[in-house]
Amino acid sequence: KAGVTQTPRYLIKTRGQQVTLSCSPISGHRSVSWYQQTPGQGLQFLFEYFSETQRNKGNFPGRFSGRQFSNSRSEMNVSTLELGDSALYLCASRWGTSTDTQYFGPGTRLTVL
Amino acid sequence: AQSVTQLDSHVSVSEGTPVLLRCNYSSSYSPSLFWYVQHPNKGLQLLLKYTSAATLVKGINGFEAEFKKSETSFHLTKPSAHMSDAAEYFCVVSDRTNTGKLIFGQGTTLQVKP
Repeated sequence: KAGVTQTPRYLIKTRGQQVTLSCSPISGHRSVSWYQQTPGQGLQFLFEYFSETQRNKGNFPGRFSGRQFSNSRSEMNVSTLELGDSALYLCASRWGTSTDTQYFGPGTRLTVL
Repeated sequence: AQSVTQLDSHVSVSEGTPVLLRCNYSSSYSPSLFWYVQHPNKGLQLLLKYTSAATLVKGINGFEAEFKKSETSFHLTKPSAHMSDAAEYFCVVSDRTNTGKLIFGQGTTLQVKP
């Protein structure tokens, strides 16, 4: 089976812009979660989508949003970018229950100038 | 609330010597625990998973971890380090009361010297 894929792998944006990141889960997985990784804060949960519905959300401002399509692919959007949004954004997929293992993609490295 | 604490931010070993990465967890119920590894500029790879079956869990690449409820620990070990083991390792707990979102430790960087 192909693994989790994320596009693009690298992005450079300037403050105030918006950005959309994409994640394609492992075939058959219905849950997609997003995590932000920074040197200062480590890995933090952003949100999870399951069957096109947001099932859980972390403590991030409303500038961070996401959605999931009927084929389970997911996108996350960050509006009005700030310097502090520079991070590695990781997507993980799993079949669906809370005890399933999550499998991670390679991440999208976002740099905000 | 669930949490994990990785007791060492940096561990340095020589190639061929044992590896020990320490992790303590806090959970109000029987947890699901994981170890993930991240090589530079890569995503996270699952090393092993504990879900209340055997307390000694074997993972990939010769790694294993032992769940000790009395000590609330889930330390990762490997008998003999290889240069390719140099990476960052994360101990993770799954918050099963909150749709299973993952809660990460701060990570341990493993350096392997020749």
